[in-house]
Amino acid sequence: GESVGLHLPTLSVQEGDNSIINCAYSNSASDYFIWYKQESGKGPQFIIDIRSNMDKRQGQRVTVLLNKTVKHLSLQIAATQPGDSAVYFCAENSGGGADGLTFGKGTHLIIQP
Amino acid sequence: EAGVAQSPRYKIIEKRQSVAFWCNPISGHATLYWYQQILGQGPKLLIQFQNNGVVDDSQLPKDRFSAERLKGVDSTLKIQPAKLEDSAVYLCASSPGSGNTEAFFGQGTRLTVV
Repeated sequence: GESVGLHLPTLSVQEGDNSIINCAYSNSASDYFIWYKQESGKGPQFIIDIRSNMDKRQGQRVTVLLNKTVKHLSLQIAATQPGDSAVYFCAENSGGGADGLTFGKGTHLIIQP
Repeated sequence: EAGVAQSPRYKIIEKRQSVAFWCNPISGHATLYWYQQILGQGPKLLIQFQNNGVVDDSQLPKDRFSAERLKGVDSTLKIQPAKLEDSAVYLCASSPGSGNTEAFFGQGTRLTVV
């Protein structure tokens, strides 16, 4: 089964509001996490990453929070814009020699005007 | 910097036919991945190359899928014979090296098996 998953398939927010997308993972050996954004007809695009020795990382308008105690990851998008509409995936890497990512099913973020 | 290039963008074939996809990674990237993304799901890793060697192919259905990266640059993924359930987007990604680093994705090839 999936080792990484998202709680909600769809999230609808008002333009200008903050968005929070959640992700749960089950592999306690995971040591690297990435959030990807995927627009229709395109490949996943890197947003932000975080390593297991951190609990928070900030980028431009985005923040990722990692809670290793409950194996939970979240992506916060500030002042959501129409261009943020996409499917968001969290992905994890358990390390070791092979470092292919394990993706969750994704959350579709819908921005309402 | 040019991104990951994939071709074709779309392919429609009948079941039991064969198909091949091509990927050209970002210049200098040693690691190349092929992912399968079924509609409504996240990408699933099929195979990972480090230069021209296979690092992980544990999720590749080897009875029908094959992949190669002979010169450590371009890669091809082949399906023979195709089944209806192979309908998906096939994504190629590359990263500079092994270890925990960001992977850069191409636009993918959308395969429809009828």
